[in-house]
Parts: sequence; structure tokens; C-alpha cells
Amino acid sequence: DIQMTQSPSSVSASVGDRVTITCRASQTIGTCLAWYQQKPGKAPQFLIYAASTLQSGVPSRFSGSGSGTDFTLTISSLQPEDFATYYCQQACSFPRITFGPGTKVDIK
Amino acid sequence: EVQLVQSGAEVKKPGESLKISCKGFGYNFAIYWIAWVRQMPGKGLEWMGIIYPGDSDTRYSPSFQGQVTISADKSISTAYLQWSSLKASDTAIYYCARRLISGGSAWYFDDWGQGTLVTVSS
Repeated sequence: DIQMTQSPSSVSASVGDRVTITCRASQTIGTCLAWYQQKPGKAPQFLIYAASTLQSGVPSRFSGSGSGTDFTLTISSLQPEDFATYYCQQACSFPRITFGPGTKVDIK
Repeated sequence: EVQLVQSGAEVKKPGESLKISCKGFGYNFAIYWIAWVRQMPGKGLEWMGIIYPGDSDTRYSPSFQGQVTISADKSISTAYLQWSSLKASDTAIYYCARRLISGGSAWYFDDWGQGTLVTVSS
């Protein structure tokens, strides 16, 4: 299976901060990567696919980049509603779809 | 509006069977793959398997093959996840999720159910 790692595992930040989360795949996956946001007690929300394509309705302060094995999710100016856990997911090694372990963004 | 509505929370004993459901609203259920994802308490997301309701083509993650059964009834726009003999380690929230149809050959999931909490305890 393709293993996904994320760093950091948690980050404390303030409203207005720029936050960057890194996701790394154990082997190359091209741009077959998605990002999800999950708030406590809620289902994951789909943010970005194909590494950098913003899903309809997702605020433009979210952006994704990367290809091959290294990817990033950036929140340009953190808003109160962005405090959540973020997961990356490799999307092409079917049926061995795997998620990263998550990065928790909390309030400093 | 697309919605996936899952069945309610369940409390079961080890060894019991269980079938939970995921009903789609607002779209042609038959032509979108539906996946199941497990989230154990305080842990991350694990992809379990997926079904195409149109012809019931089903694929499983190797980690879950033989542990669960995924099925669907397109006539009532509902997918199912079932266990024949639950274990305490099956305690988790289970989500259904719809595959993004515009993702090409990739497997992204754009709409999710609200989750079903399954608790297995003696």
C-alpha cells in the first residue's frame, strides 16, 4: 500500500495566520491527491482534488500544491471556522485508497 | 441538493450481526460509486471499500476484505455495510461517501453521509 504521512501532526495558530500542512506519499502518485477538513463530531468535507483544484464552494484562502510524493495545503489567512483536522488522501492506487494520519489545527 | 443520509447509531454485543445503511437523495444514485470509510475513536480515516449501485460491482480494501460486506439496492437509492459477527474492535463511526464523477480515473469523495456510530460491547 502507498503510505501517506503528514506534518506537523498538530499546529497552533492564530486567526489571520498563514498555515501550511505537508503530506508525503511513500511512492509517486502524480497529482492524485485530495484534501479534506473534519470538524469535531462532523463528517469530512472535501476541499481540494488533483492536488490543486479547489472544490466548488471552498473559500479561496485554501490552496493546494505539489506532485509526485510531496504536497502542501495552505490556508492563507486562518479564519475561526478553519480550526479542524485536515487529512490528505491518495486517490489513484485503487482499491488501496489511503488517507494521511491527519493534522489538527487549533487555536494558539 | 445532494444528500447522503445514514441510519442511526447502533449498540451491539460481540458476535451479533449488523447492517447499516446510506440513502442518497437529490441525484441519480445508480451512476455514482459509494464508498465506506471507518473512523475508530479518536483516530483517522480508513477506506474500506466501494460499490457501484448500477451493477453492484464491489471492491474492497485488502484490510477489510472478508471482514464486511458492502451491497446496494438502486431501486431505493440505498447502500449498505454489514457484519456477520461483530467484534469490540469494530467500534467506530462509519461514513458513506460519494465518488466525485468529474475526477477522471481518480477516486475522490465529494459528498459524505453524517456517519453512523457503531458500538460493540458486552
